[in-house]
Amino acid sequence: KAGVTQTPRYLIKTRGQQVTLSCSPISGHRSVSWYQQTPGQGLQFLFEYFSETQRNKGNFPGRFSGRQFSNSRSEMNVSTLELGDSALYLCASSFNRGMNTEAFFGQGTRLTVV
Amino acid sequence: GQQVMQIPQYQHVQEGEDFTTYCNSSTTLSNIQWYKQRPGGHPVFLIQLVKSGEVKKQKRLTFQFGEAKKNSSLHITATQTTDVGTYFCAPSGAGSYQLTFGKGTKLSVIP
Repeated sequence: KAGVTQTPRYLIKTRGQQVTLSCSPISGHRSVSWYQQTPGQGLQFLFEYFSETQRNKGNFPGRFSGRQFSNSRSEMNVSTLELGDSALYLCASSFNRGMNTEAFFGQGTRLTVV
Repeated sequence: GQQVMQIPQYQHVQEGEDFTTYCNSSTTLSNIQWYKQRPGGHPVFLIQLVKSGEVKKQKRLTFQFGEAKKNSSLHITATQTTDVGTYFCAPSGAGSYQLTFGKGTKLSVIP
């Protein structure tokens, strides 16, 4: 069974540009969550999607957005990139929503903004 | 999401020594998960604790959930270099489906 796949693995963008990251969850998983990981802030929750609907959103500006497709694949978009957006972006998929659901993480996309 | 304090932030131990990381909440938790992230890797699920006072073991790792379900700990006996990484707790509050993480404890093991 394939794991969570994130593309691309590495990305370098310039300030002011926008970027789209992709996440393909484990087959059969319907919940996808996104996290930003930086050395100073740890793992910060961005948003969660389930059945193509955003269910939860973290404390991030509107420049961060996402969506989920009918096949559960998800994308997140960051517009007007800032230097502080440089981070590892991790996607996690779960079979279902719920407190007792294990999350499976992808390898992440390392975004560098210059 | 549920807020927790995870301590210590860093821990350096000699190989063979024990290691403990703590996760503390000011509110009662429904359950708590633990994850490990190796250097350069992604978080990997270790375990979930649900019941008050629950204790679970995985080889040299012992996980505990406090009686009041406000704190949890992960203890590693006789650390090995393979234990190196950052350990995160991920608590859930009542009715919350959002998985949030503590800041993590970064473990270094000196051979």
